[in-house]
Amino acid sequence: DAGITQSPRHKVTETGTPVTLRCHQTENHRYMYWYRQDPGHGLRLIHYSYGVKDTDKGEVSDGYSVSRSKTEDFLLTLESATSSQTSVYFCAISENTYGYTFGSGTRLTVV
Amino acid sequence: DQQVKQNSPSLSVQEGRISILNCDYTNSMFDYFLWYKKYPAEGPTFLISISSIKDKNEDGRFTVFLNKSAKHLSLHIVPSQPGDSAVYFCAASARSSANSNSGYALNFGKGTSLLVTP
Repeated sequence: DAGITQSPRHKVTETGTPVTLRCHQTENHRYMYWYRQDPGHGLRLIHYSYGVKDTDKGEVSDGYSVSRSKTEDFLLTLESATSSQTSVYFCAISENTYGYTFGSGTRLTVV
Repeated sequence: DQQVKQNSPSLSVQEGRISILNCDYTNSMFDYFLWYKKYPAEGPTFLISISSIKDKNEDGRFTVFLNKSAKHLSLHIVPSQPGDSAVYFCAASARSSANSNSGYALNFGKGTSLLVTP
């Protein structure tokens, strides 16, 4: 989507390796979110940020960490990837209470 | 514990007919509801929303109905078109009880895959 990009779009990694996914926005929105989408589970919140250096956990945060050193970038790190973290990851941005704009997603496969 | 439930994983409708997608929620603090549409290999896109002070919101072919007493909302698409074939996610948030640090996080259902056949 315009104003929000995720990188990489696809990644295959080995179990036990660290992985970082990047979300970049040009909208200057305050709030940023990381979700994962899995069959049978829909979209589940991993972590979110409400400002630079301000982050908090979502419902499925175990095994993930995040950082936001600049308004425009929100990084999601898998410290030691596991097969259960194979998923499609979506970043979203929001300025207010009225919903999100999502990125195009990152498909991560852990082998 | 799923607070937003979409109990129909899939729905098939003929072109020109009405599509009705249903969503139930359990958290009485939810006061804002949204529908997102998702095509394969793309991110979800916002479709329509409704505040809890209303019971209906209409935007072109799309209408969302909210029944607060039943904790139920539905999305009506009339007439359905083949381009409407996608996964539809229902989402809810508790805006009035949230604070600026909570991120106004959205709770999503599992999605309903709609197929509109010619």
